[in-house]
Amino acid sequence: DSGVTQTPKHLITATGQRVTLRCSPRSGDLSVYWYQQSLDQGLQFLIHYYNGEERAKGNILERFSAQQFPDLHSELNLSSLELGDSALYFCASSVEEGNYGYTFGSGTRLTVV
Amino acid sequence: GENVEQHPSTLSVQEGDSAVIKCTYSDSASNYFPWYKQELGKRPQLIIDIRSNVGEKKDQRIAVTLNKTAKHFSLHITETQPEDSAVYFCAAINTDKLIFGTGTRLQVFP
Repeated sequence: DSGVTQTPKHLITATGQRVTLRCSPRSGDLSVYWYQQSLDQGLQFLIHYYNGEERAKGNILERFSAQQFPDLHSELNLSSLELGDSALYFCASSVEEGNYGYTFGSGTRLTVV
Repeated sequence: GENVEQHPSTLSVQEGDSAVIKCTYSDSASNYFPWYKQELGKRPQLIIDIRSNVGEKKDQRIAVTLNKTAKHFSLHITETQPEDSAVYFCAAINTDKLIFGTGTRLQVFP
């Protein structure tokens, strides 16, 4: 157990639907990062939050949004889902921004049918 | 922004041989370079990292080297074992986010 908790582990939904993925960072970590990993692909950075504030955005679609709550957990909202959104979505946390290795959660496998 | 290139995309070695994976980065301001190992269907796990003020770091069978001038860094695995088979990702810090390479699928044959 890495200490980063992601729920649910698996999600199957239909095109056009909306889902919410949840991440609880390791105790004491203030930064949360979201990454998307499509089949046999690399890790694409989506968004970063630090202590409740959005810090950086990557190639995140307008249909996707995220937030970090006062208790530091984060949610990634995916709407108007398309088949191509099927992927593993990882959350990672770190103590602070910058020069520290991230700890990844086990991921949420999203399948859009 | 930062761009990280990783080679090769696949690598097959015989058990006991060495494996080398190479990465280049574009942003000279990047100063932290971790390597992650990802087994099939699992989360990426940090295996070793290096900061820009260090040229080389070793941890048992794993070593990483960094050439800041050339903007490239490499992962070296010696005495490979079948359990080393996985996808390996290099990464570089760009301001406050990690940018990952495209991954190397390492297969170690008994």
